Amino acid sequence: QLQLQESGPGLVKPSETLSLTCTVSGGSISSSNYYWSWMRQSPGKGLEWIGTMYYSGSTQNNPSLKSRVNISKDTSKNQLSLKLSSVTAADTAVYFCARQAVAGPEYWGQGTLVTVSS
Amino acid sequence: QSVLTQPPSASGTPGQRVTISCSGSSSNIGSNTVNWYQQLPGSAPKLLIYTNNRRPSGVPDRFSGSKSGTSASLAISGLQSEDEADYYCAAWDDSLHAYVFGTGTKVTV
Repeated sequence: QLQLQESGPGLVKPSETLSLTCTVSGGSISSSNYYWSWMRQSPGKGLEWIGTMYYSGSTQNNPSLKSRVNISKDTSKNQLSLKLSSVTAADTAVYFCARQAVAGPEYWGQGTLVTVSS
Repeated sequence: QSVLTQPPSASGTPGQRVTISCSGSSSNIGSNTVNWYQQLPGSAPKLLIYTNNRRPSGVPDRFSGSKSGTSASLAISGLQSEDEADYYCAAWDDSLHAYVFGTGTKVTV
């Protein structure tokens, strides 16, 4: 059974870099059948797509986040990573990783709350 | 701010049929397929409908989706108490170059 578990610091200071890891079990992050994505959900802005990593290793990020996003994967650990730089209070949200088929994100992790505050 | 607009709430009694609308534009719903997600309180979103009207394995056939032009709809027939949740539509937007979500609809039974 596929399981995705997000992990990382729950508190990040403004202007610093948010770093999260998504550990995948019950499936391979190297599978050519799926992509892997990050989303977030905050009370003020609802659900927001952050970016997607494709099988080739290329990524596509939400232009609204400009160049602050970096998504990578470690196939040896079966993990997906997210780095979001120069964070502000507006980046406070629950962050989700998800396995994505062609149609869109289909299977989500439980999410992890990240608060940006000094 | 979301480019897909949904009514903030919908309600019904057990057994009734509830319909949720999702209004978009030619750059998203008008030219791409629509997915629907169900988010139970305190849980992650769950894919309910994909490619406009297809149900993943395990999703009851009480849930159905449709699309016409730049709008989409999710229908829940035979409403049950466990259907109380937030529902979101989503689609790729060719202008924004982003996967966008709707504003969400809270269904109360």
